[in-house]
Amino acid sequence: SQQGEEDPQALSIQEGENATMNCSYKTSINNLQWYRQNSGRGLVHLILIRSNEREKHSGRLRVTLDTSKKSSSLLITASRAADTASYFCATAAYNFNKFYFGSGTKLNVKP
Amino acid sequence: DTAVSQTPKYLVTQMGNDKSIKCEQNLGHDTMYWYKQDSKKFLKIMFSYNNKELIINETVPNRFSPKSPDKAHLNLHINSLELGDSAVYFCASSFPGTSGYEQYFGPGTRLTVT
Repeated sequence: SQQGEEDPQALSIQEGENATMNCSYKTSINNLQWYRQNSGRGLVHLILIRSNEREKHSGRLRVTLDTSKKSSSLLITASRAADTASYFCATAAYNFNKFYFGSGTKLNVKP
Repeated sequence: DTAVSQTPKYLVTQMGNDKSIKCEQNLGHDTMYWYKQDSKKFLKIMFSYNNKELIINETVPNRFSPKSPDKAHLNLHINSLELGDSAVYFCASSFPGTSGYEQYFGPGTRLTVT
């Protein structure tokens, strides 16, 4: 299927450490997006990277995209307890209207 | 102000019943979606509407029928509920950004079928 797959499924780190999570997908994309989901809440958009971009930054977030390997990574620097959440990548096909999500990486940041 | 709202937040019902979930967005977006998130947190698109027209139907059983009375509302009606329908259902909306569509999600409706 076209869905993104996040890796690892779960990640536990100490506050202040960096967190890296990866996403792999299977088909050509127009863009890739990362979302955060706090427990019991809806998803919140974090960052979007286009297929012709290789790296993008937003605050403590850094996203990379390697279209040759069909993979992306999300780096959260200097993590905080408030970053504890599940993180999902979503791939957007060229018709834009379809998004494919994986099952997410569950990040636990211990204070 | 709530951007994307869903009602109800929780829904507990018995097998065989019919239920509806409502969604409204006040963002002026053209496109709205329904997603299903299963117990393993996998999020799967079910339907997408653009300006009240159905544009995506991802092989969802006929028991699920979306209805969009206007572009700010997308409701989901489910007939003859089954145990496997238990999940969290999310509504989302989107508007073209400079390079694609960012989606805004509602808080979800947790459906439990007993």
